[in-house]
Amino acid sequence: TQLLEQSPQFLSIQEGENLTVYCNSSSVFSSLQWYRQEPGEGPVLLVTVVTGGEVKKLKRLTFQFGDARKDSSLHITAAQPGDTGLYLCAGAGGFGNEKLTFGTGTRLTIIP
Amino acid sequence: DAGVTQSPTHLIKTRGQQVTLRCSPKSGHDTVSWYQQALGQGPQFIFQYYEEEERQRGNFPDRFSGHQFPNYSSELNVNALLLGDSALYLCASSGGRNQPQHFGDGTRLSIL
Repeated sequence: TQLLEQSPQFLSIQEGENLTVYCNSSSVFSSLQWYRQEPGEGPVLLVTVVTGGEVKKLKRLTFQFGDARKDSSLHITAAQPGDTGLYLCAGAGGFGNEKLTFGTGTRLTIIP
Repeated sequence: DAGVTQSPTHLIKTRGQQVTLRCSPKSGHDTVSWYQQALGQGPQFIFQYYEEEERQRGNFPDRFSGHQFPNYSSELNVNALLLGDSALYLCASSGGRNQPQHFGDGTRLSIL
């Protein structure tokens, strides 16, 4: 059974601070996606990483896929209130096993 | 370009009843997956449909069944509803094998 653990589970920081969210597993994934979910809405795809060691930047968000494709991190620089939400990582097992295994989620609150 | 659409938005049922949830995939997508998201948790994979057949199934009982139509839309059926079936049911579509999945806003199912 593939499991993804996210840390921290909850994070509340002041506007302008930096933060990192971690997503760890003992299983290898062919790709990993990060989503953000607002209350009452479905998860919105932020990024997909597929290559071990890959780093992708999306404005103030930096995503990294571990060399062994078992873990990932999301770093936010100069957090803004609009970054508030539930952040979910999800791994895909690859051809023939394309279901997404979701992490436990990190609920982020940015205080103005 | 419409994204993934789900109906109804909310639904209230009683124990033992049956329910059907509907999903229209994003334009150009041919694969539909269903997930169950309990309160405070990450989504759990139910099953995936491609070419009108169930391609992969998660750890859910046979009370959960589905269907995909020739226009790629899909239904999720749940029989003999239990209190524990109360959750947000999410539909995701993708445009091919190992492609990122895009989610709808879900159907909130409450069992009384």
